[in-house]
Amino acid sequence: AQTVTQSQPEMSVQEAETVTLSCTYDTSESDYYLFWYKQPPSRQMILVIRQEAYKQQNATENRFSVNFQKAAKSFSLKISDSQLGDAAMYFCAYRSAYFPSNYQLIWGAGTKLIIKP
Amino acid sequence: DTEVTQTPKHLVMGMTNKKSLKCEQHMGHRAMYWYKQKAKKPPELMFVYSYEKLSINESVPSRFSPECPNSSLLNLHLHALQPEDSALYLCASSQGGQGRNGQPQHFGDGTRLSIL
Repeated sequence: AQTVTQSQPEMSVQEAETVTLSCTYDTSESDYYLFWYKQPPSRQMILVIRQEAYKQQNATENRFSVNFQKAAKSFSLKISDSQLGDAAMYFCAYRSAYFPSNYQLIWGAGTKLIIKP
Repeated sequence: DTEVTQTPKHLVMGMTNKKSLKCEQHMGHRAMYWYKQKAKKPPELMFVYSYEKLSINESVPSRFSPECPNSSLLNLHLHALQPEDSALYLCASSQGGQGRNGQPQHFGDGTRLSIL
């Protein structure tokens, strides 16, 4: 069975600085997807970034980028130029590419990100 | 603006009441999901509908009854709930099908449910 581990229950960063949230996972599959979701106090779960296991290139979305290390089973999220609106719970999630497991997201426990003004 | 709409946003009900949660999406997705989320925890999958058929039921108590009237709508009927059922209920949708598909799930804002 697959597992996802987020070892940092809480992180804080000064506004405008860079922060990295860690995520490791365990799987025996070769084809899968990884996601970072953000959930602010407003509670909507928002997709931040997505990575396909077969792609070597790290995904980037504006100020958000990942460091995907497939062999190490590591998928960290870097947030550059942190803004107050980035304050939220961040969840790392794994999804198999194989039916029917591809309907299920395996979630990490989450990291609460605090932005200091 | 969220592309998955959930109503109501808040619901308070007694343990003997019957109520329903509603979810709607117009993205053409064929898979829809119900999740339960407790504070500071990740969502827990409850049900998955694929092409309007129940595909996954994660051993959810029968007091929760899902329904998928069509490809855009998903309901969750509630009856005789317990205080421990108080939580945020999230609906999500994604492209369905058996093929390799990396498209993510899109979530609604959720319904905050409180059981008195």
